[in-house]
Amino acid sequence: EIVMTQSPATLSVSPGERATLSCRASQSISSNLAWYQQKPGQTPRLLIYGASTRATGIPARFSGSGSGTEFTLTISSLQSEDFAVYYCQQYNNWPPLTFGGGTKVEIK
Amino acid sequence: EVQLLESGGRLAQPGGSLRLSCAASGFSFSTYAMTWVRQAPGKGLEWVSTISGGGVGTYYADSVKGRFSISRDNPKNTLYLQMNSLRAEDTAVYYCAKGIGSDYYYSVTFDYWGQGTLVTVSS
Repeated sequence: EIVMTQSPATLSVSPGERATLSCRASQSISSNLAWYQQKPGQTPRLLIYGASTRATGIPARFSGSGSGTEFTLTISSLQSEDFAVYYCQQYNNWPPLTFGGGTKVEIK
Repeated sequence: EVQLLESGGRLAQPGGSLRLSCAASGFSFSTYAMTWVRQAPGKGLEWVSTISGGGVGTYYADSVKGRFSISRDNPKNTLYLQMNSLRAEDTAVYYCAKGIGSDYYYSVTFDYWGQGTLVTVSS
Protein backbone atom coordinates (compact mmCIF):
# COMPACT_ATOMS: atom_id res chain seq x y z
CA GLU A 1 0.00 0.00 0.00
CA ILE A 2 1.24 3.48 -0.88
CA VAL A 3 1.06 5.78 2.12
CA MET A 4 0.41 9.45 1.46
CA THR A 5 1.64 11.93 4.06
CA GLN A 6 0.56 15.56 4.01
CA SER A 7 2.19 18.43 5.83
CA PRO A 8 1.57 20.53 7.70
CA ALA A 9 -1.63 19.31 9.30
CA THR A 10 -2.76 22.91 9.73
CA LEU A 11 -1.56 25.98 7.87
CA SER A 12 -2.42 29.46 9.11
CA VAL A 13 -2.34 32.01 6.32
CA SER A 14 -3.56 35.57 5.92
CA PRO A 15 -5.82 36.44 2.97
CA GLY A 16 -3.76 37.47 -0.02
CA GLU A 17 -0.73 35.45 1.06
CA ARG A 18 0.69 32.38 -0.63
CA ALA A 19 -0.02 28.93 0.77
CA THR A 20 2.21 25.94 0.08
CA LEU A 21 0.95 22.46 0.93
CA SER A 22 3.06 19.32 0.73
CA CYS A 23 2.25 15.71 -0.01
CA ARG A 24 4.72 12.84 0.09
CA ALA A 25 4.24 9.32 -1.23
CA SER A 26 5.90 6.32 0.38
CA GLN A 27 7.06 5.18 -3.06
CA SER A 28 7.19 6.70 -6.50
CA ILE A 29 3.80 7.44 -8.04
CA SER A 30 5.09 9.20 -11.15
CA SER A 31 2.69 12.12 -11.69
CA ASN A 32 -0.44 10.20 -10.78
CA LEU A 33 -1.57 12.49 -8.02
CA ALA A 34 -4.73 14.50 -7.47
CA TRP A 35 -5.59 17.31 -5.06
CA TYR A 36 -9.06 17.91 -3.65
CA GLN A 37 -10.55 20.77 -1.67
CA GLN A 38 -13.24 20.18 0.92
CA LYS A 39 -15.07 22.96 2.71
CA PRO A 40 -17.06 22.28 5.88
CA GLY A 41 -20.30 20.50 5.12
CA GLN A 42 -19.45 20.14 1.44
CA THR A 43 -18.23 17.38 -0.80
CA PRO A 44 -14.66 17.20 -2.04
CA ARG A 45 -13.87 19.13 -5.22
CA LEU A 46 -11.20 18.07 -7.67
CA LEU A 47 -8.58 20.80 -8.07
CA ILE A 48 -5.58 19.19 -9.72
CA TYR A 49 -4.84 15.87 -11.41
CA GLY A 50 -1.76 14.54 -13.11
CA ALA A 51 0.09 16.43 -10.38
CA SER A 52 -0.18 19.73 -12.26
CA THR A 53 -3.29 19.85 -14.48
CA ARG A 54 -6.04 22.06 -13.20
CA ALA A 55 -9.50 20.55 -13.33
CA THR A 56 -12.28 22.29 -15.19
CA GLY A 57 -13.22 25.62 -13.68
CA ILE A 58 -10.39 25.78 -11.16
CA PRO A 59 -8.85 29.25 -10.84
CA ALA A 60 -5.28 29.82 -11.98
CA ARG A 61 -4.19 30.72 -8.45
CA PHE A 62 -4.16 26.98 -7.74
CA SER A 63 -1.12 25.17 -9.07
CA GLY A 64 0.39 21.76 -8.53
CA SER A 65 3.91 20.51 -9.00
CA GLY A 66 6.12 17.53 -8.32
CA SER A 67 6.64 13.97 -9.43
CA GLY A 68 7.88 10.75 -7.95
CA THR A 69 7.37 11.06 -4.22
CA GLU A 70 7.23 14.80 -3.50
CA PHE A 71 4.34 17.03 -4.49
CA THR A 72 3.21 20.57 -3.77
CA LEU A 73 -0.07 22.44 -4.05
CA THR A 74 0.37 26.19 -4.15
CA ILE A 75 -2.37 28.76 -3.74
CA SER A 76 -0.77 31.96 -4.96
CA SER A 77 -3.00 34.49 -3.21
CA LEU A 78 -5.47 33.10 -0.74
CA GLN A 79 -9.05 34.20 -1.11
CA SER A 80 -11.65 33.87 1.62
CA GLU A 81 -13.28 30.96 -0.19
CA ASP A 82 -10.00 29.00 -0.19
CA PHE A 83 -10.00 28.30 3.53
CA ALA A 84 -10.72 24.59 3.60
CA VAL A 85 -9.16 21.17 3.99
CA TYR A 86 -7.02 19.89 1.13
CA TYR A 87 -6.37 16.22 0.39
CA CYS A 88 -3.93 14.56 -1.95
CA GLN A 89 -4.69 11.18 -3.51
CA GLN A 90 -2.52 8.77 -5.45
CA TYR A 91 -3.89 6.69 -8.28
CA ASN A 92 -0.65 5.29 -9.66
CA ASN A 93 -0.93 1.92 -8.04
CA TRP A 94 -4.30 0.74 -6.81
CA PRO A 95 -6.01 -1.01 -5.19
CA PRO A 96 -5.85 0.31 -2.64
CA LEU A 97 -6.48 3.89 -3.62
CA THR A 98 -5.00 6.11 -0.92
CA PHE A 99 -5.52 9.63 0.32
CA GLY A 100 -3.36 11.81 2.50
CA GLY A 101 -4.60 12.83 5.91
CA GLY A 102 -5.37 16.38 4.81
CA THR A 103 -4.09 19.88 5.42
CA LYS A 104 -6.43 22.42 6.94
CA VAL A 105 -5.84 25.94 5.67
CA GLU A 106 -7.14 28.39 8.22
CA ILE A 107 -7.28 32.14 8.53
CA LYS A 108 -4.35 33.63 10.38
CA GLU B 1 -25.47 18.08 -15.78
CA VAL B 2 -23.89 15.22 -13.86
CA GLN B 3 -25.73 14.31 -10.69
CA LEU B 4 -25.04 11.62 -8.11
CA LEU B 5 -27.60 11.06 -5.38
CA GLU B 6 -26.90 8.64 -2.56
CA SER B 7 -29.51 7.12 -0.32
CA GLY B 8 -29.91 4.35 2.21
CA GLY B 9 -27.84 5.60 5.08
CA ARG B 10 -29.33 5.31 8.56
CA LEU B 11 -28.67 4.05 12.07
CA ALA B 12 -27.80 0.36 12.09
CA GLN B 13 -26.92 -2.15 14.79
CA PRO B 14 -23.44 -3.66 15.00
CA GLY B 15 -23.52 -6.85 12.99
CA GLY B 16 -26.39 -5.54 10.91
CA SER B 17 -26.73 -4.82 7.22
CA LEU B 18 -27.49 -1.86 5.01
CA ARG B 19 -27.67 -1.26 1.28
CA LEU B 20 -26.65 2.10 -0.07
CA SER B 21 -27.71 3.34 -3.49
CA CYS B 22 -26.34 6.03 -5.75
CA ALA B 23 -28.57 7.24 -8.58
CA ALA B 24 -26.56 8.73 -11.42
CA SER B 25 -27.64 10.99 -14.25
CA GLY B 26 -26.19 13.33 -16.83
CA PHE B 27 -23.49 11.03 -18.23
CA SER B 28 -23.06 7.65 -19.87
CA PHE B 29 -23.14 5.64 -16.66
CA SER B 30 -21.97 2.31 -18.07
CA THR B 31 -18.84 3.92 -19.53
CA TYR B 32 -17.36 4.85 -16.17
CA ALA B 33 -16.07 2.98 -13.19
CA MET B 34 -17.78 4.11 -10.00
CA THR B 35 -16.39 4.32 -6.51
CA TRP B 36 -17.51 4.58 -2.91
CA VAL B 37 -15.42 6.77 -0.61
CA ARG B 38 -16.24 7.28 3.06
CA GLN B 39 -15.44 9.89 5.65
CA ALA B 40 -15.77 9.20 9.36
CA PRO B 41 -16.92 12.16 11.47
CA GLY B 42 -14.14 14.73 11.65
CA LYS B 43 -11.75 12.48 9.73
CA GLY B 44 -10.24 12.25 6.29
CA LEU B 45 -11.26 10.46 3.11
CA GLU B 46 -11.04 6.69 2.86
CA TRP B 47 -11.47 4.69 -0.32
CA VAL B 48 -13.95 1.84 0.13
CA SER B 49 -14.61 0.16 -3.20
CA THR B 50 -14.58 0.58 -6.98
CA ILE B 51 -16.48 -1.22 -9.71
CA SER B 52 -15.66 -1.18 -13.41
CA GLY B 53 -18.08 0.22 -15.95
CA GLY B 54 -19.31 -3.19 -17.00
CA GLY B 55 -19.49 -4.40 -13.44
CA VAL B 56 -17.04 -7.27 -13.87
CA GLY B 57 -14.12 -5.77 -11.99
CA THR B 58 -14.63 -5.05 -8.29
CA TYR B 59 -12.05 -3.81 -5.81
CA TYR B 60 -12.21 -3.36 -2.06
CA ALA B 61 -10.29 -1.84 0.79
CA ASP B 62 -8.98 -4.44 3.20
CA SER B 63 -11.10 -2.88 5.95
CA VAL B 64 -14.32 -3.90 4.18
CA LYS B 65 -13.28 -6.92 2.13
CA GLY B 66 -15.54 -9.87 2.78
CA ARG B 67 -18.19 -7.69 4.40
CA PHE B 68 -19.13 -5.15 1.72
CA SER B 69 -20.18 -5.84 -1.86
CA ILE B 70 -20.30 -3.29 -4.66
CA SER B 71 -22.57 -3.69 -7.65
CA ARG B 72 -24.28 -1.68 -10.33
CA ASP B 73 -27.39 -1.77 -12.49
CA ASN B 74 -26.43 0.00 -15.68
CA PRO B 75 -29.91 0.13 -17.25
CA LYS B 76 -31.09 1.83 -14.05
CA ASN B 77 -27.99 4.06 -13.79
CA THR B 78 -27.60 3.03 -10.18
CA LEU B 79 -24.64 2.03 -8.04
CA TYR B 80 -25.00 -0.02 -4.87
CA LEU B 81 -23.04 -0.89 -1.79
CA GLN B 82 -24.25 -3.85 0.25
CA MET B 83 -22.83 -3.54 3.74
CA ASN B 84 -22.93 -6.58 6.02
CA SER B 85 -21.49 -7.35 9.44
CA LEU B 86 -21.40 -3.66 10.22
CA ARG B 87 -18.99 -2.37 12.85
CA ALA B 88 -18.82 0.86 14.79
CA GLU B 89 -15.80 1.87 12.72
CA ASP B 90 -17.96 1.81 9.58
CA THR B 91 -19.73 4.92 10.86
CA ALA B 92 -19.15 7.57 8.21
CA VAL B 93 -20.61 9.62 5.41
CA TYR B 94 -20.50 7.47 2.28
CA TYR B 95 -19.94 9.24 -1.03
CA CYS B 96 -20.28 7.81 -4.48
CA ALA B 97 -17.88 9.29 -6.99
CA LYS B 98 -17.28 9.26 -10.73
CA GLY B 99 -13.89 9.25 -12.42
CA ILE B 100 -12.83 11.79 -15.00
CA GLY B 101 -12.10 9.05 -17.49
CA SER B 102 -12.40 5.36 -18.10
CA ASP B 103 -8.80 4.17 -18.04
CA TYR B 104 -6.92 2.68 -15.08
CA TYR B 105 -5.73 6.05 -13.78
CA TYR B 106 -8.54 8.45 -14.54
CA SER B 107 -11.28 6.04 -13.52
CA VAL B 108 -10.30 6.81 -9.92
CA THR B 109 -9.63 10.52 -10.25
CA PHE B 110 -12.94 11.93 -9.14
CA ASP B 111 -14.56 14.92 -10.79
CA TYR B 112 -18.06 14.40 -9.43
CA TRP B 113 -19.14 13.40 -5.94
CA GLY B 114 -22.57 12.87 -4.48
CA GLN B 115 -23.69 14.72 -1.38
CA GLY B 116 -23.16 11.64 0.74
CA THR B 117 -25.33 9.48 2.95
CA LEU B 118 -24.64 9.02 6.66
CA VAL B 119 -24.26 5.54 8.08
CA THR B 120 -24.19 5.29 11.86
CA VAL B 121 -23.42 1.95 13.46
CA SER B 122 -24.34 1.89 17.11
CA SER B 123 -26.32 -0.12 19.59
